[in-house]
Amino acid sequence: DAGVIQSPRHEVTEMGQEVTLRCKPISGHDYLFWYRQTMMRGLELLIYFNNNVPIDDSGMPEDRFSAKMPNASFSTLKIQPSEPRDSAVYFCASSFWGSFYGYTFGSGTRLTVV
Amino acid sequence: TQLLEQSPQFLSIQEGENLTVYCNSSSVFSSLQWYRQEPGEGPVLLVTVVTGGEVKKLKRLTFQFGDARKDSSLHITAAQPGDTGLYLCAEGGLSFGAGTTVTVRA
Repeated sequence: DAGVIQSPRHEVTEMGQEVTLRCKPISGHDYLFWYRQTMMRGLELLIYFNNNVPIDDSGMPEDRFSAKMPNASFSTLKIQPSEPRDSAVYFCASSFWGSFYGYTFGSGTRLTVV
Repeated sequence: TQLLEQSPQFLSIQEGENLTVYCNSSSVFSSLQWYRQEPGEGPVLLVTVVTGGEVKKLKRLTFQFGDARKDSSLHITAAQPGDTGLYLCAEGGLSFGAGTTVTVRA
């Protein structure tokens, strides 16, 4: 298996622009998680899905952030409009047993908003 | 979500030395995971502990789960430069500690 695949690996955008991050989970995994990592706040859970349905989005910082999972093999995290404080590394992770036994993470997308 | 405290924040040792990092919470863990993250990559799951008092070994790494399931430790024997990274504990993956940055000097 190729693991969790995220794209792009790096994204540089101007403030106010729309940014879309993409994730392909491991085939057969029914949970998908989006995280954000910064030096100041560490690794923060933004939202997670079970069987393509959003279960908990309480970590989504603002209405500028939205996430979708149209099918079992694809998810997006969108920021519109982007702001410099959104600069961070965004990770996607997937699992088969929910959160109890841990996840497989992607390599992340490093987002820089200038 | 519960607050996970990790200590120390940074650890720098010479190759061949031993090290221990800690993870604590004021609440009981349902399960606890340890991850290692290398620069530019996502965290990689090392182990999950579930039962109070549980000890798991992964080559030179030993993981202990406290009897009360409120604390855990990761011990590395004879550390190697390849052990360098950020070690994170997580409770069910819904909350993560801030991590311990380990540097093993050759």
